[in-house]
Amino acid sequence: DSGVTQTPKHLITATGQRVTLRCSPRSGDLSVYWYQQSLDQGLQFLIQYYNGEERAKGNILERFSAQQFPDLHSELNLSSLELGDSALYFCASSAWDSATVGPQHFGDGTRLSIL
Amino acid sequence: QQQVKQSPQSLIVQKGGISIINCAYENTAFDYFPWYQQFPGKGPALLIAIRPDVSEKKEGRFTISFNKSAKQFSLHIMDSQPGDSATYFCAAAGSGDKLTFGTGTRLAVRP
Repeated sequence: DSGVTQTPKHLITATGQRVTLRCSPRSGDLSVYWYQQSLDQGLQFLIQYYNGEERAKGNILERFSAQQFPDLHSELNLSSLELGDSALYFCASSAWDSATVGPQHFGDGTRLSIL
Repeated sequence: QQQVKQSPQSLIVQKGGISIINCAYENTAFDYFPWYQQFPGKGPALLIAIRPDVSEKKEGRFTISFNKSAKQFSLHIMDSQPGDSATYFCAAAGSGDKLTFGTGTRLAVRP
């Protein structure tokens, strides 16, 4: 158990809808990272928050947004969903603000299916 | 574009054999090279990591070999076991930068 909790585990919705994915980091971790994992793209970094502030941005679509709350949990919001957004979405947490200082601990992901 | 190229895509090894997965990178600013292991239905978990100041790092049956001049690094799993069957991802990052992952290698260890 990595200590990172993601909810829900599965989400099925339709095109054009909006969903919110939730992540609770490990106790004490200040950084939260979001990744998208699809069969043809592998693990793609979306965005990082550190102690409530956006720290780094990757290949995140404008339809997607995220935030980290004062209690350090994070939410990833996906709107105007398209079939291509179907993927596994992972959250990872770390005690550091840099990816190179220490390990990232991943949750078990949210599987998003767009019908 | 920062890329990490991983091969092979899939690998079948007999129990007790050596599994070898290779990765190559382009960005010379990368200075952190972790390997992650992922079981079905689970998130990736850090297995072992190396920095470019050493050419090899060993933890139990897992060894990373690093060739800075060739910009390549590899994971060796000695005495491979069926429980090692999983997907392995290499990754790389430069100071203060995000992790860039390889596309993964699906390892199957036959009994």
